[in-house]
Amino acid sequence: GAVVSQHPSRVICKSGTSVKIECRSLDFQATTMFWYRQFPKQSLMLMATSNEGSKATYEQGVEKDKFLINHASLTLSTLTVTSAHPEDSSFYICSAYVGGYTFGSGTRLTVV
Amino acid sequence: TQLLEQSPQFLSIQEGENLTVYCNSSSVFSSLQWYRQEPGEGPVLLVTVVTGGEVKKLKRLTFQFGDARKDSSLHITAAQPGDTGLYLCAGGENTGTASKLTFGTGTRLQVTL
Repeated sequence: GAVVSQHPSRVICKSGTSVKIECRSLDFQATTMFWYRQFPKQSLMLMATSNEGSKATYEQGVEKDKFLINHASLTLSTLTVTSAHPEDSSFYICSAYVGGYTFGSGTRLTVV
Repeated sequence: TQLLEQSPQFLSIQEGENLTVYCNSSSVFSSLQWYRQEPGEGPVLLVTVVTGGEVKKLKRLTFQFGDARKDSSLHITAAQPGDTGLYLCAGGENTGTASKLTFGTGTRLQVTL
């Protein structure tokens, strides 16, 4: 089946630094990828929809200048958390649609 | 804003018991999906229902989509410890194409021996 590979699985960074999370579609092309954030013991909240070759669409309340999304190819979408703060600590998950939704394994970001 | 409320939020039962998880919304969805998520991992799709009144069975799991396509339920028969996890329903705006999913509030199930 379709596989979305997400890296890194865990990352710890200092406040003020930037962190990049990658999601790759391994055996299919993903025109669209979805980025979610999940706080502990909560559900997934959609942050943005990335489209290959065009600007991402952000959900209300999500800062586009803080969460930079790049979808430069049909197999790679990246989310960069810029100037990270402790409140950005969360579980970030990407998803792609290929006949159904396939999710990455998630990235646990801890900002100290 | 579309909201999907799940109940109960948390459920702790013993092996062999039956349970039902509900997913309710005031909005109509083109499709509704159920996922199970283990800690530190992404959600894994269990089932997709698209037709009002549809019932699907997956071994000990039975899924139902409400007639009005606003609500759904997941029934587990004879729960096992391996069923432990976070169950999430998610409503889709369209079928057959990539579209936003709205996730429910989640039900955390714990099955003990």
